[in-house]
Amino acid sequence: AQKVTQAQTEISVVEKEDVTLDCVYETRDTTYYLFWYKQPPSGELVFLIRRNSFDEQNEISGRYSWNFQKSTSSFNFTITASQVVDSAVYFCALSEFANSGNTPLVFGKGTRLSVIA
Amino acid sequence: DTEVTQTPKHLVMGMTNKKSLKCEQHMGHRAMYWYKQKAKKPPELMFVYSYEKLSINESVPSRFSPECPNSSLLNLHLHALQPEDSALYLCASSQDGVNSVGYNEQFFGPGTRLTVL
Repeated sequence: AQKVTQAQTEISVVEKEDVTLDCVYETRDTTYYLFWYKQPPSGELVFLIRRNSFDEQNEISGRYSWNFQKSTSSFNFTITASQVVDSAVYFCALSEFANSGNTPLVFGKGTRLSVIA
Repeated sequence: DTEVTQTPKHLVMGMTNKKSLKCEQHMGHRAMYWYKQKAKKPPELMFVYSYEKLSINESVPSRFSPECPNSSLLNLHLHALQPEDSALYLCASSQDGVNSVGYNEQFFGPGTRLTVL
């Protein structure tokens, strides 16, 4: 069964600090997809990144970077020089590629990030 | 244009009312989703439509009735709801859906915040 664990329930940092959000997943499939979403107080989930299981390259997008390590089943998300606008709940999610196609997203419980000015 | 729109933004209804939530996307996506999200919890999948056909119903009570009039529109009809159904209802779409191969990152609308009195 697929499972996503975000062990950090809440994190508070001071503006300009770097912060890493952890995501550990479990799957029996060799082909799967990992995602990160941001949910600001307004409520809308914003898609940040999709990573395929066969692509272990790390990714950087501005102040955001993602570290995917299959050996530890982790897909961690780092925000560099955090800003108040980064305050949100961040969800990690997993979808497997089963025999008939992609399975629905399984979300972690989310990490609430508060960036204090 | 990665936009999913939802109306209304807020809805207050009594337990005997009938109301509908609406969702629209114009990205040519083939799959559309309804999620329910309670406070401080991840989104819970309710229904998935793929190519305008209901492909997943996550054992949702019959007081919630989905409808997909065309590939761009998704409705959720509500009848005889209970106070515990109060939540944020999120609609999402993806280029390809569950049980298919392809791009399955989901793009979410802003949600409808529902209160049942």
